[in-house]
Amino acid sequence: QSVLTQPSSVSGAPGQTVTISCTGSTSNIGAGYEVHWYQQLPGIAPKLLIYNHNSRPSGVPDRFSGSKSGTSASLAITGLQAEDGADYYCQSYDSLSGVIFGGGTKLTVL
Amino acid sequence: QVQLQESGPGLLKPSGTLSLTCAVSGGSISTSHWWTWVRQPPGKGLQWIGEISHSGSTNYNPSLKSRVTISVDKSKSQFSLKVTSVTAADTAMYYCMRGDMVTGFLDYWGQGALVTVSS
Repeated sequence: QSVLTQPSSVSGAPGQTVTISCTGSTSNIGAGYEVHWYQQLPGIAPKLLIYNHNSRPSGVPDRFSGSKSGTSASLAITGLQAEDGADYYCQSYDSLSGVIFGGGTKLTVL
Repeated sequence: QVQLQESGPGLLKPSGTLSLTCAVSGGSISTSHWWTWVRQPPGKGLQWIGEISHSGSTNYNPSLKSRVTISVDKSKSQFSLKVTSVTAADTAMYYCMRGDMVTGFLDYWGQGALVTVSS
């Protein structure tokens, strides 16, 4: 059972927009700790996708964006492309548990 | 460009000790970052194991703390992970990475090392 809750799967057609939620509590996201997102393509290590809830590392397309409000955060992917099919994880910090991850969301591009 | 590379035995027997090393290249290990270990059991999500600073300060996942030790060797530009009394539940891909000391994002990851615990 992950401290951060994500939907197990989402799907969308090419060109559409999908959103992945990450729900925490008052001891992590709600306490003001930052949220980061990672993309994991099949068989390889996760890659930093969004940091500090809405910043993109160099090389990440602006189709990817993040937001945070209250005890939750979201990752939005616009103009969905076939290569976006992957697992996505949110990460934050919890005052009791330390570094925490969401359970991961599998994105299927139809 | 910082690069990290895990190394260590891929197969362990139950009750043994898991030992992995992460070599850091392309940048100094003596910077203000957390040098971090995360694992991922087959087909499952990510679990934070712990982290160490270049000065040797450590933080561990409370659920693993009694069995985990992370150390750093600045002279060799590497940091290490030890997990004692392993069981099949410790079978996972083990990743090392660099973590931001202010907000905690993990920006550079190793490719991972698969460790299997089996008799």
